[in-house]
Amino acid sequence: GAVVSQHPSWVICKSGTSVKIECRSLDFQATTMFWYRQFPKQSLMLMATSNEGSKATYEQGVEKDKFLINHASLTLSTLTVTSAHPEDSSFYICSARDLAGGPPSTDTQYFGPGTRLTVL
Amino acid sequence: AQSVAQPEDQVNVAEGNPLTVKCTYSVSGNPYLFWYVQYPNRGLQFLLKYITGDNLVKGSYGFEAEFNKSQTSFHLKKPSALVSDSALYFCAVRGWMDSSYKLIFGSGTRLLVRP
Repeated sequence: GAVVSQHPSWVICKSGTSVKIECRSLDFQATTMFWYRQFPKQSLMLMATSNEGSKATYEQGVEKDKFLINHASLTLSTLTVTSAHPEDSSFYICSARDLAGGPPSTDTQYFGPGTRLTVL
Repeated sequence: AQSVAQPEDQVNVAEGNPLTVKCTYSVSGNPYLFWYVQYPNRGLQFLLKYITGDNLVKGSYGFEAEFNKSQTSFHLKKPSALVSDSALYFCAVRGWMDSSYKLIFGSGTRLLVRP
């Protein structure tokens, strides 16, 4: 099956620093990746849609200058949390669309293992 | 607006008994429906999806789900639960006309299978 990796799996940083999280599709190409945020015991909140070669589309209420997304290739998207603060501490999960096996309308999103960010 | 409801925060079942995790949805047009499972501190694993065709969909780890259009439901089922099935389960929907390909997730249901 389609595999998505994330790096790092966890990170602790000081307030005010920036953190970069990588999301890779290992055995398929993904023109579109999604970034989610999950708070403890809650569902996933979509932050943005990352499209290869173009600007990301952010959901309402998500600060695009704080959460920088770059989709440089068909297998890599990065999320950079700039000037992180304790309230940015969360579990960040990415997903990628696998277009194989059918038309785009029926594709499946595969998720990475997540990155736990703790800002001190 | 599209939405997904998982009415049960937690489902408890004894090992070996059948399990059902409920999901209802609201979407314009035909739905694409998905079930994912999440283990602690991990991402989501794809279990199964309904696109079209047979209403009973079979997926990974012995799970299946039944699409019921009249009741707008897509309940997840397994004939015989295992302790290792204990996890957080998410139902998700996408409208077939939604070109953004975004998934709308339910709030999640925690499944606890006791030995």
